[in-house]
Amino acid sequence: GNSVTQMEGPVTLSEEAFLTINCTYTATGYPSLFWYVQYPGEGLQLLLKATKADDKGSNKGFEATYRKETTSFHLEKGSVQVSDSAVYFCALSEVMGAQKLVFGQGTRLTINP
Amino acid sequence: KAGVTQTPRYLIKTRGQQVTLSCSPISGHRSVSWYQQTPGQGLQFLFEYFSETQRNKGNFPGRFSGRQFSNSRSEMNVSTLELGDSALYLCASSLAPGINNEQFFGPGTRLTVL
Repeated sequence: GNSVTQMEGPVTLSEEAFLTINCTYTATGYPSLFWYVQYPGEGLQLLLKATKADDKGSNKGFEATYRKETTSFHLEKGSVQVSDSAVYFCALSEVMGAQKLVFGQGTRLTINP
Repeated sequence: KAGVTQTPRYLIKTRGQQVTLSCSPISGHRSVSWYQQTPGQGLQFLFEYFSETQRNKGNFPGRFSGRQFSNSRSEMNVSTLELGDSALYLCASSLAPGINNEQFFGPGTRLTVL
């Protein structure tokens, strides 16, 4: 079946550091890929998405590129802020009109001032 | 525009009881999905509803059921609760099924089974 694997956390960085959170997937067909963020006590918020190979999703300084050849969708940000502290989930959407999302295990990110 | 509303936010039950959780989607949204979030299993898909019909179901026992009403509000029910059902239950709504329709998540209902 389809699956998503994220780098294990927690990840702790200093403010203004460069962030990479690795995500790889296994899927049949051509799924869409997503990054969601969860702040304490809240639900998930869509951070960015990519729907086909070589697409780059970007939002709030975060970027991720859909790499079909390496089945990856790594999340990057050039300069993190304390407010970026949260749990980040990589996910894929199964093909053709389905709403079902398959999530990675989540990576807890803490940014220290 | 109000977001996805889930009630109650917190719930404590004992083993063997049943529970009903409610989700009100964003106005105009007709598709609702449910997910279970636990520290051990992470986020797992429960079911998806559109136009009062279940379109997709995850790999959960029959104790987990759901329904959607004509106003798109959805409920999920868990019968004969087990300790392992303790989790955050998240509801997500979208305009309609389809990968181009963003899913908006509610804050969740935290269920504790004692």
